[in-house]
Amino acid sequence: DQQVKQNSPSLSVQEGRISILNCDYTNSMFDYFLWYKKYPAEGPTFLISISSIKDKNEDGRFTVFLNKSAKHLSLHIVPSQPGDSAVYFCAASNYGGSQGNLIFGKGTKLSVKP
Amino acid sequence: DTGVSQDPRHKITKRGQNVTFRCDPISEHNRLYWYRQTLGQGPEFLTYFQNEAQLEKSRLLSDRFSAERPKGSFSTLEIQRTEQGDSAMYLCASSLLNGGTTDTQYFGPGTRLTVL
Repeated sequence: DQQVKQNSPSLSVQEGRISILNCDYTNSMFDYFLWYKKYPAEGPTFLISISSIKDKNEDGRFTVFLNKSAKHLSLHIVPSQPGDSAVYFCAASNYGGSQGNLIFGKGTKLSVKP
Repeated sequence: DTGVSQDPRHKITKRGQNVTFRCDPISEHNRLYWYRQTLGQGPEFLTYFQNEAQLEKSRLLSDRFSAERPKGSFSTLEIQRTEQGDSAMYLCASSLLNGGTTDTQYFGPGTRLTVL
């Protein structure tokens, strides 16, 4: 039973355009959400997070939106760059992550074409 | 800047052998986590420590898996009597939980295990 779902295995975007990666969750107890980027043969790199008390968080080209009623979050990358090509994982936890484990989705592979 | 480091980066072993992986967290971080990632999946939580205390180990995949963090700094993950199904990327992460409301985990590069 997948508690965190990334329903698009892949996404292709032109350089300079917006990339939108989506994530759905089923557990209403989740209150802290994170996005990680992963290159092949490397560990996941933390990108951005959002607490359930917010509906938006921005960091440079990256913005995460949270819709609690729909149990949905999205990561927007604007403008997209070829170096953004990687697998993006959505992760969730409850109690702000203080209970230890993150629950990850299966990832979305983003390809940004020059 | 020293992030999370893991050693070795790659390990090839024969079925039935024991293997041990090491993780060195970011120096001031008090929490350390182990995850496993298989092809096409996201990381799967195994266990975590706060300082030297192992706070959750029920997610370890079997009794062949064990982890230690004896001095609250580096940690080891051991797999005894390896099986081909243990082939995966083993990831370590660390975080600083200091009374705040959120806890962000930072990952190391992983150890790729291949069991022949």
